[in-house]
Parts: sequence; structure tokens; C-alpha cells
Amino acid sequence: DQQVKQNSPSLRVQEGRISILNCDYTNSMFDYFLWYKKYPAEGPTFLISISSIKDKNEDGRFTVFLNKSAKHLSLHIVPSQPGDSAVYFCAASPILTQGAQKLVFGQGTRLTINP
Amino acid sequence: DADVTQTPRNRITKTGKRIMLECSQTKGHDRMYWYRQDPGLGLRLIYYSFDVKDINKGEISDGYSVSRQAQAKFSLSLESAIPNQTALYFCATGRPGDTEAFFGQGTRLTVV
Repeated sequence: DQQVKQNSPSLRVQEGRISILNCDYTNSMFDYFLWYKKYPAEGPTFLISISSIKDKNEDGRFTVFLNKSAKHLSLHIVPSQPGDSAVYFCAASPILTQGAQKLVFGQGTRLTINP
Repeated sequence: DADVTQTPRNRITKTGKRIMLECSQTKGHDRMYWYRQDPGLGLRLIYYSFDVKDINKGEISDGYSVSRQAQAKFSLSLESAIPNQTALYFCATGRPGDTEAFFGQGTRLTVV
């Protein structure tokens, strides 16, 4: 049973436009959400996170939105750049005191930015 | 230099063989994790360790064992490898109270 779902396996976006990656979750006990970026032959690297007490977190070109009632989060990248081409994983964590790095991952979305 | 180093990076082994994947870290983190990635499934937690004397099963521990030899070293063993253990394996570290995990470069294991 996939508790964190990324229903789009791939996404193509033109350079300079906005990329929107979506993620849905089913477990109400998740209270912290992260996005990881993965290039080929490398491990995932942390990109941005959001606590369940917030609905938005912004870091430069990257913004994560959380809609708790819908159990949905999204990652916005604007403007998109060719170097953003990678696989993006959404991940969720239960309450912080329960082993914070025990992450539940989505399947990943491969983002391709076309020059 | 990578803060979380996995060896080997690639390995092909035969069904039934015992194999060990190694992970070492220079980040000084107490917590270490083993995840596996399969196409279409994302990453799933195999085992984790909060300190040298602490070992815990994750979501998919069957067929695997681990050893925490030191704060900086955490090894994953497949006692008798089978083809459906073909996957990309990642070691990760983290600090208590944080949520961010720091991943190694991965080990691509193929069981034939």
C-alpha cells in the first residue's frame, strides 16, 4: 500500500516556465514532508521541506505547498532551468520524535527541462 | 569527497551467494539507515540504527541483516542473495531531532 504517491512518472517543461510536481499521501500521522532531487549515479539530495503546521515554504526558485485537508503537496520550480532535470522524490515523516529519518517515499517524478 | 561513502558502487552476484554492502560516514551522525530503490516504488527502508548498540527493522527487512561496527560504519548483508533483491541500495545518515537524511551515492546490486 503506497502511502505516498507521485502519480506522474515524468514531466517535461520548457526552460524558463514553471514546473509543478505533485504528491499525495494517505497517512494522517505524517507531519513533515520533504522533497529530494536525484541525478543519475548519485544519491538523493535534500531540496526543501515543510512542516504540517505550515502551508507554504519557499527557498529561492523552489516553493513547496501543503494542503493538509486534501493530503496533497506540490513543489513549484520557477523559473525552470536545464540543471533542474532530475528525478524528484516526495517523502514524508511521522512526528519528529519517532525517528525522524524514517522516511516514506513516493515513486518519483522524472523532470526534464527542455532548453 | 563524499560524506557518506558506499562500497562497492556496482556488484553482480549469483543467486545463493552471501554479499555485504558497506557504508561509512564522516558526518559524525549517530543515526544510519539502509534503503533500497526499485523502479516504480521509490525508496523503502530496510534497517536503521540510532547508535552502535541499536538495530531496528524497517519496512522490508526479510532476507537482510545489518551490522553497526562503529558510529561511522553500517553494513548491509544479504545472506543468500535472490534475483528480486536486484535493486539500487542507499545508505543514509541523520541527526536526532532532524528530519533531513543524507544519502550515499548508492550501490547497484544485480543478482543473477
